[in-house]
Amino acid sequence: NAGVMQNPRHLVRRRGQEARLRCSPMKGHSHVYWYRQLPEEGLKFMVYLQKENIIDESGMPKERFSAEFPKEGPSILRIQQVVRGDSAAYFCASSPGLGPHYGYTFGSGTRLTVV
Amino acid sequence: KNEVEQSPQNLTAQEGEFITINCSYSVGISALHWLQQHPGGGIVSLFMLSSGKKKHGRLIATINIQEKHSSLHITASHPRDSAVYICAVPIQGAQKLVFGQGTRLTINP
Repeated sequence: NAGVMQNPRHLVRRRGQEARLRCSPMKGHSHVYWYRQLPEEGLKFMVYLQKENIIDESGMPKERFSAEFPKEGPSILRIQQVVRGDSAAYFCASSPGLGPHYGYTFGSGTRLTVV
Repeated sequence: KNEVEQSPQNLTAQEGEFITINCSYSVGISALHWLQQHPGGGIVSLFMLSSGKKKHGRLIATINIQEKHSSLHITASHPRDSAVYICAVPIQGAQKLVFGQGTRLTINP
C-alpha cells in the first residue's frame, strides 16, 4: 500500500500557465480532500470530493481553480492562468469514509512555485 | 478568533527535555488530530483521539472534550523531533479539517 501519492513533488510555472496537480488516494479510499498551505500560513481547506462528485468546494477560489475526481484515475487540482499568489504547498488527503473517526492519510504535497 | 488555537507558536528546547504543545478549539467536535510536518516535507498523522489519552513511543496526546483542549507531549525529546506540530479538528460532519497555525519545535543537541 503506497499511501497517498501526489505528483509532481515540485512544480514551477510561469505566470499565466496552467498547473495540474495529481493525487492518487490510498487503495480503498473514495474520499479526497485538497488543502493549501501558503508560505508562513496554516493549512486551509479547499475542496472535498468523492468519486465523480464534488461535495464541498467552499474553500476554492471562485476563479481559475477547479478539481475533479474521475471514476478512473487520480484526483486533479487544476489552476489556470497561475499568478504569483498561487505559490504554495498543496496537500491531498484521503479517507475510507465520511465521519470524524475514519482518520485521514496525507500525501507529501506538491510545492508550486510561480515565477 | 480562530476556531483552533495552538500555543506556543515557537518552542526551542534542549535534547532530553519534556515538551508540551497545547491546542484549544471553539467548535464542538468528536475527534481531534495531531499532525507532524518536517520542513519541506509531507504531513504525517500522529494521533486521532476523541477522549482520554493515547501514547505512541515517546509521544502522548491527551484531550478534554468538556474543556475543548488537547495537549501533545514529547518525552526525552530528540533533535529528530524538530518539526511543526499541527492540531486539526473536523467540522461539518468531518467534511473538512480546520487547522491550528502550528507549533514550530526545535530541539537542540
